Amino acid sequence: AQSVTQLGSHVSVSEGALVLLRCNYSSSVPPYLFWYVQYPNQGLQLLLKYTTGATLVKGINGFEAEFKKSETSFHLTKPSAHMSDAAEYFCAVSGSGGGYNKLIFGAGTRLAVHP
Amino acid sequence: GAVVSQHPSWVICKSGTSVKIECRSLDFQATTMFWYRQFPKQSLMLMATSNEGSKATYEQGVEKDKFLINHASLTLSTLTVTSAHPEDSSFYICSARDKGSYNSPLHFGNGTRLTVT
Repeated sequence: AQSVTQLGSHVSVSEGALVLLRCNYSSSVPPYLFWYVQYPNQGLQLLLKYTTGATLVKGINGFEAEFKKSETSFHLTKPSAHMSDAAEYFCAVSGSGGGYNKLIFGAGTRLAVHP
Repeated sequence: GAVVSQHPSWVICKSGTSVKIECRSLDFQATTMFWYRQFPKQSLMLMATSNEGSKATYEQGVEKDKFLINHASLTLSTLTVTSAHPEDSSFYICSARDKGSYNSPLHFGNGTRLTVT
């Protein structure tokens, strides 16, 4: 079975500061990993994904994440936070069978950005 | 890019009535769509997998007779909440994958906020 743990339900940073959102996963098969962002009362937007190959994945809006198999982690980072980054972020792992089948989501991390 | 349209974006209904939520893939065909439920300030919980032309697959604990799913075409899946009660109030989100690409990511609709009074 797959599972995702996001450390820290709330993260607060100053504008211009580094953003680090933590995600650890558990998977019995090689995982596909994703980060999604959700703005209030909206659906989810894909930030980036890891399937195979390069372990450092770059996404939209300046975000990137690194797949570390030894640490079973897929932390999301952004060098400099912007006010518009304030949102809910979800890490997800693909379900049984790999590929892009049903996703298992973490509990989410709410990012607040202060001026 | 691929767009998933969900309608309505919000709905208020009285207890005991039924509500239908539509999920459409606008520029791609989807043999599989997924329905999620999200409680306030919580994560998304998968409710069911909607399969075009066949019965939906429900997750454990989800009442299939209460949450009716129909996937009649490659671009449309519907979720009907039957005999709604206040505890059914939630944010419902659908997602879909382009059938033409196994490795394509899931695309999400903007969600439907259901309030049952």
